[in-house]
Amino acid sequence: GNSVTQMEGPVTLSEEAFLTINCTYTATGYPSLFWYVQYPGEGLQLLLKATKADDKGSNKGFEATYRKETTSFHLEKGSVQVSDSAVYFCALRPNFGNEKLTFGTGTRLTIIP
Amino acid sequence: EADIYQTPRYLVIGTGKKITLECSQTMGHDKMYWYQQDPGMELHLIHYSYGVNSTEKGDLSSESTVSRIRTEHFPLTLESARPSHTSQYLCASSVLNNEQFFGPGTRLTVL
Repeated sequence: GNSVTQMEGPVTLSEEAFLTINCTYTATGYPSLFWYVQYPGEGLQLLLKATKADDKGSNKGFEATYRKETTSFHLEKGSVQVSDSAVYFCALRPNFGNEKLTFGTGTRLTIIP
Repeated sequence: EADIYQTPRYLVIGTGKKITLECSQTMGHDKMYWYQQDPGMELHLIHYSYGVNSTEKGDLSSESTVSRIRTEHFPLTLESARPSHTSQYLCASSVLNNEQFFGPGTRLTVL
């Protein structure tokens, strides 16, 4: 079956530090890949996505590249801000069948000033 | 900005009460979903629907039930709440080949 393995947290960084949150997946074929973010007290919001190999998703300074050869979709940001403190979820959706999302377990990120 | 709403946002009730969590979306999406989120953050799909009069159980067994009588409305009901039902419940919707949009969630506490 499909699965997503996500870097365990919590992760604590200083403001302006470089961020990487690792995500690898197991799936048949070529799924679409997503990063969602959940701010305190809110639902999930789509941060970025990639639908095919070598695609790069980007938004709000965050980037992730769909690497088929390593089955990875690592989230990066060059300089984090306090406002980036949130929980980040990696997810995949198969491009056939029932289209349900499979989520990773989430990574809590805290940025300190 | 996604137009998907959940009410109530917070609910504290006693054991044995019947409750309904409301979820509505104004985007005309066919697909809707209910997730249960652990205190440890992990998301579990408990119900989904691909359209009116379509409901399916998700990956995590749940004592809750859902209905889909109208496209925009996907309520979740617990006939007799128990402390083990204490959790955050997130509703989402999507269209074919697009991402899911999430509501703000309902945090349920059963005493």
